[in-house]
This record gives sequence, structure tokens and C-alpha cells, in this order.
Amino acid sequence: KNEVEQSPQNLTAQEGEFITINCSYSVGISALHWLQQHPGGGIVSLFMLSSGKKKHGRLIATINIQEKHSSLHITASHPRDSAVYICAVAPSYGGATNKLIFGTGTLLAVQP
Amino acid sequence: DVKVTQSSRYLVKRTGEKVFLECVQDMDHENMFWYRQDPGLGLRLIYFSYDVKMKEKGDIPEGYSVSREKKERFSLILESASTNQTSMYLCASSFEFNEQYFGPGTRLTVT
Repeated sequence: KNEVEQSPQNLTAQEGEFITINCSYSVGISALHWLQQHPGGGIVSLFMLSSGKKKHGRLIATINIQEKHSSLHITASHPRDSAVYICAVAPSYGGATNKLIFGTGTLLAVQP
Repeated sequence: DVKVTQSSRYLVKRTGEKVFLECVQDMDHENMFWYRQDPGLGLRLIYFSYDVKMKEKGDIPEGYSVSREKKERFSLILESASTNQTSMYLCASSFEFNEQYFGPGTRLTVT
């Protein structure tokens, strides 16, 4: 079983819809990251969080440390949001490094 | 803005060739990472470096080596390329325990 699980693996939405992508993990962590990868493109960090909630524009990330669960929400989705969204955790056992464990990603397609 | 650059976007090599992938970052980050990304497997760590000349194996170091002679540059070496090393290779850097900044990736095909 992977230490970081994302759901769904694939998601198709209509423009304007509210989207939720989930991430569950099985290890103790010091931080959780949400990343975005456009087709053929590099990876961009969206959020790094260790508690609570963060918001940037139409994107909201939440984390529940007790339940080992995080969600990424996209409000008023747009076709330009189409990308792979990747959840990654920095495990507590990583010590004095910044090693991450990655989920396999959620492929989002937003149709006009 | 942090910039992480990789030497090639696309590379085609023959089995048995020695392959060098270079990564340069311009923000004086001490941590640098090499990952490969394969469909269904996500990103997997090959090697990372937390200082000049310092390196540690990641999850899949077999068949790879690395070099970090200068703080801004981290090289990944495939000593003898094999077809199972066909993949997307991504470099990243970070300052301490902060977010990682990724390069654009190198799509390597070994024939």
C-alpha cells in the first residue's frame, strides 16, 4: 500500500464546477505539499501546509493532521485548471532532509 | 523568482551509452534532488544532495550516480544507459524544509 494515496485518479468537470481532490497518508508528517503539473510542463508548488487551511485565488487546501487527510479545492473551475495535481508529504522520519513522498497524482480535465 | 534549469528537454540515447543530465539553480539552495516520473508510479527519488559534495541515495539509486561539485549544479549520470531508464527526469531544489522548485524536466529515451 502506498504511503500517499490520492483520489480520484481521474476527474472530468464542467467549467464553473467546484472540484475536490483528496489525499490520504499513512505516516507522520512535518508538512504536506500540493503540486500542479501541466501537460508537457514542469511542476509548480501550489501549497505547503502543516495545519489548517490555505487559500490562493480560487484554490484552497486544507489538512486534518489527526485524520491524516488533506483536500485541494478549486472553485469556479476553468479549462486552464486542467493539469495533474500531486500530493506529497514530508515524513517526520525524514529527519534533517527535505525528502518527500509523492502520490501518483490526479488528472483533472475541465471542459468548457 | 527561483529558476531551475535542466540541460535538455528531450534526449535520445543508445543502450550502453553514458548519459549526463545537468541541473542548475540560481537561488543558493543547499538541497537538490533528482527524480524520475513514470506513468502510474508518480515521482520517485533517485538521489539528493544537501550540500556541495554531499549526496544520499533515494529510493531507486541503482544504475545512477550523481555529482555536486558546485552548490548551484547537480548532475545525474547514467553510467550505462538501459531501456528501462527511459523516463521523465526532474530536478528540484529547496531551501531547508521549504517548498521544492522543479526544473522543466528531461524526457530521456533509451533505444
